Amino acid sequence: DTAVSQTPKYLVTQMGNDKSIKCEQNLGHDTMYWYKQDSKKFLKIMFSYNNKELIINETVPNRFSPKSPDKAHLNLHINSLELGDSAVYFCASSQRVEGEAFFGQGTRLTVV
Amino acid sequence: GENVEQHPSTLSVQEGDSAVIKCTYSDSASNYFPWYKQELGKGPQLIIDIRSNVGEKKDQRIAVTLNKTAKHFSLHITETQPEDSAVYFCAEGYSSASKIIFGSGTRLSIRP
Repeated sequence: DTAVSQTPKYLVTQMGNDKSIKCEQNLGHDTMYWYKQDSKKFLKIMFSYNNKELIINETVPNRFSPKSPDKAHLNLHINSLELGDSAVYFCASSQRVEGEAFFGQGTRLTVV
Repeated sequence: GENVEQHPSTLSVQEGDSAVIKCTYSDSASNYFPWYKQELGKGPQLIIDIRSNVGEKKDQRIAVTLNKTAKHFSLHITETQPEDSAVYFCAEGYSSASKIIFGSGTRLSIRP
């Protein structure tokens, strides 16, 4: 069974469109994250949720809106996509911050 | 501030030799220091971690050392093998801030 699964794996879309990436974890973890990895491999945290509540929003544009319907899910919705949004987005979860974070396989978003 | 510096950005070693990657952090409140390995097309995966009350930890060919005074920690891989080729990330955890900050990554290549 996949511990952290995110869909889709690839997403190609035009500028200005709205898209969503879904994430689910079956590990029973309390904390979930979204990270953005650019072409230079930099991994930057975007959001952190604990028990469905937003804990961290790292100066991410308002066009990005995470939604956590329950502890096991953290979806990412992006409005008015821009070229600079092209990256690989990783969902992750952990039982606590000082513990192993499990990452999904990533979603490669390409905005054309 | 929140910053993890990682060196080198690329590292090429002969199979069987050792590889060392170093990281420096700035926040003395950090208490958790994991290392992640990212293979091509996959999400990062934890390989070893160390907490601030420990100076060294070893797991088979992998070891991590932590110098709290100097605020740096290192990853040591001995007897390197082709499957060690990947991008390695150091990170620091902030329990008070509920997030993990990643270094810029080191692309390790093992020459046969």
